[in-house]
Amino acid sequence: DTEVTQTPKHLVMGMTNKKSLKCEQHMGHRAMYWYKQKAKKPPELMFVYSYEKLSINESVPSRFSPECPNSSLLNLHLHALQPEDSALYLCASSHQFMTSGRIEQYFGPGTRLTVT
Amino acid sequence: SQQGEEDPQALSIQEGENATMNCSYKTSINNLQWYRQNSGRGLVHLILIRSNEREKHSGRLRVTLDTSKKSSSLLITASRAADTASYFCATVDGGGADGLTFGKGTHLIIQP
Repeated sequence: DTEVTQTPKHLVMGMTNKKSLKCEQHMGHRAMYWYKQKAKKPPELMFVYSYEKLSINESVPSRFSPECPNSSLLNLHLHALQPEDSALYLCASSHQFMTSGRIEQYFGPGTRLTVT
Repeated sequence: SQQGEEDPQALSIQEGENATMNCSYKTSINNLQWYRQNSGRGLVHLILIRSNEREKHSGRLRVTLDTSKKSSSLLITASRAADTASYFCATVDGGGADGLTFGKGTHLIIQP
């Protein structure tokens, strides 16, 4: 199974709502990532989890809160978002170490988020 | 932060022709990867080239890397309509679980 799944596919939320994005993989990858992609722009890294521990936070506002409950799941909790946070949120996973020779990332289809 | 700069930003060619996209980057890298994205969906890994490699082939794809010029090119031969997508180069500048830094991307349109 080489698939990364993300739910929901689409999400519309108000600025006072709390919602969560979910990501799941069963490839045994121990590194998982959140990226944000605005229209006609490249993805930008938000967070990296390595062995269920947050290893990189690219200065993301605290209204985005990641969580890695186990090695297969990655969540992104959203609270008090702004309209400019509307974007495609992509989850990815990869093997941890370069010596594995397989450090390409596998991406999910993304969640298209609209903040109203 | 963005590192790679793709060139051209958009490319439209006829089916059967070859498509070449270029990417430049700024810092030293461990490897460089190319990804394809169809119309606002997830990215698909195409090919990886390590910093000590100069050229790599995979099917109709050919990637070159010039670390002295900090640049890479992706050639797609005998293009097909299904190759219509956005193509991004991405770099990893460390070992382990570093995130990818993507270039701006080239939007490729293959005219049937």
